Amino acid sequence: DGGITQSPKYLFRKEGQNVTLSCEQNLNHDAMYWYRQDPGQGLRLIYYSQIVNDFQKGDIAEGYSVSREKKESFPLTVTSAQKNPTAFYLCASSRNRAGGEGETQYFGPGTRLLVL
Amino acid sequence: QKEVEQNSGPLSVPEGAIASLNCTYSDRGSQSFFWYRQYSGKSPELIMSIYSNGDKEDGRFTAQLNKASQYVSLLIRDSQPSDSATYLCAVTAGAGNNRKLIWGLGTSLAVNP
Repeated sequence: DGGITQSPKYLFRKEGQNVTLSCEQNLNHDAMYWYRQDPGQGLRLIYYSQIVNDFQKGDIAEGYSVSREKKESFPLTVTSAQKNPTAFYLCASSRNRAGGEGETQYFGPGTRLLVL
Repeated sequence: QKEVEQNSGPLSVPEGAIASLNCTYSDRGSQSFFWYRQYSGKSPELIMSIYSNGDKEDGRFTAQLNKASQYVSLLIRDSQPSDSATYLCAVTAGAGNNRKLIWGLGTSLAVNP
């Protein structure tokens, strides 16, 4: 059963704490993405990765970090430098970034991050 | 700044009617166009993709693309209450490492029984 999993479903962060959101895919996709969704705003790209051990900043990378050590996994760390982290975080993947059907993005179920 | 614009709605249609959702985009070089459905509290799920001018049909859904007018639409025939959701339009922009999806804010659709 192929798909994208994200965990946890809900995450609570205390002041000054770093937290890590998990994203795993078994679709054999090369490209993976992290988005943030806030009420009344469109999806905003945080980071993306085209291949293992390579990743690029998106539009709102400040206060976030990622790694891509395995093709299947693309964890996102929300650092204490991110002052307004409360949001719905979405992980997505696509076969590639070469255009056409291959760049169709598929989403995991999301992680809702709340600040205590 | 590359943009994708959608009417926020809510768009309200009776059950069984045709729902028409519209999206305009600013980047003339855009090549790939996507419609996603997002239920409240859930993640987006792909409905349709379209890459060339004209219509593309999949069941009750038809995507229409007009690159000259920079316009893409989604028609939902025989609308059902289960179609009530926010519909997101996404368009590719840029090239190479700058290539990414630009997202609209979504149109809220309510199908009334």
